[in-house]
Amino acid sequence: EAGVTQFPSHSVIEKGQTVTLRCDPISGHDNLYWYRRVMGKEIKFLLHFVKESKQDESGMPNNRFLAERTGGTYSTLKVQPAELEDSGVYFCASSQPDRAGELFFGEGSRLTVL
Amino acid sequence: LAKTTQPISMDSYEGQEVNITCSHNNIATNDYITWYQQFPSQGPRFIIQGYKTKVTNEVASLFIPADRKSSTLSLPRVSLSDTAVYYCLVGDTMLGANFGNEKLTFGTGTRLTIIP
Repeated sequence: EAGVTQFPSHSVIEKGQTVTLRCDPISGHDNLYWYRRVMGKEIKFLLHFVKESKQDESGMPNNRFLAERTGGTYSTLKVQPAELEDSGVYFCASSQPDRAGELFFGEGSRLTVL
Repeated sequence: LAKTTQPISMDSYEGQEVNITCSHNNIATNDYITWYQQFPSQGPRFIIQGYKTKVTNEVASLFIPADRKSSTLSLPRVSLSDTAVYYCLVGDTMLGANFGNEKLTFGTGTRLTIIP
C-alpha cells in the first residue's frame, strides 16, 4: 500500500513568489491534515479536511495560504506571495474513516524562501 | 489542548529497555494519549495510543496511571534503529473513531539516542 506522498520534496523560491505543495493521501483516507514546522519551532497544525470539506482551518497563519482538496482526493497548499518566515517543512497526513486517531504522515515538503 | 512535558533528550545502550515519561497535568476526561516517532527527514509515525492502564502492541507498551496526569512509553530491547525523536501528544480522537479531530500539538519531543 502506498503511503502519503508529497511533492515537491524541496522547493527553493524567492520572496514574493508563489509555491504550490501537493499531497496525495492514502487511498480511502477521508481525513487529510496539513502541518508545518518552521525553523526552530515545533510541528504545528494548519488545517484539516474531511473529504473535500475544510473541517478546521484555525491553524492557517494568514490569507497568503490557501488549501484545497478538490474531489476529496489529493490536496494542494498554495503560498502566495511567499515570505521568508514561511520557510520550513510542510507535512501532510491522512487517516482512515474508522481509525481516525492514527495519522499517517508524508515525508514532508521542505520550503526555502530566499 | 493539554500541554505535555517530556525530557529533551535521552541516551541508552542497545539491548536495554527504554522508558520515556511524559507529563500532561491538564489532560481532559475525553483525551487520549498518543505517541509518535520521527526519524530525520521523515514525517512522524504513529506508535501507540492509550486512555488508561496499560496498552501493548508489537512495537511498544504504554503505561498510564490512574490519575492519567502522566504516561510512560516503554521500548523493549532497543536497537540503533530506534534512534529518533519521540513525541507525546494528547487529543480527543480515539484510535477507532470514525471522525478525525486531530489538531495535534507536538511539543519538543524527546530525542532518543541509542549507543552501540
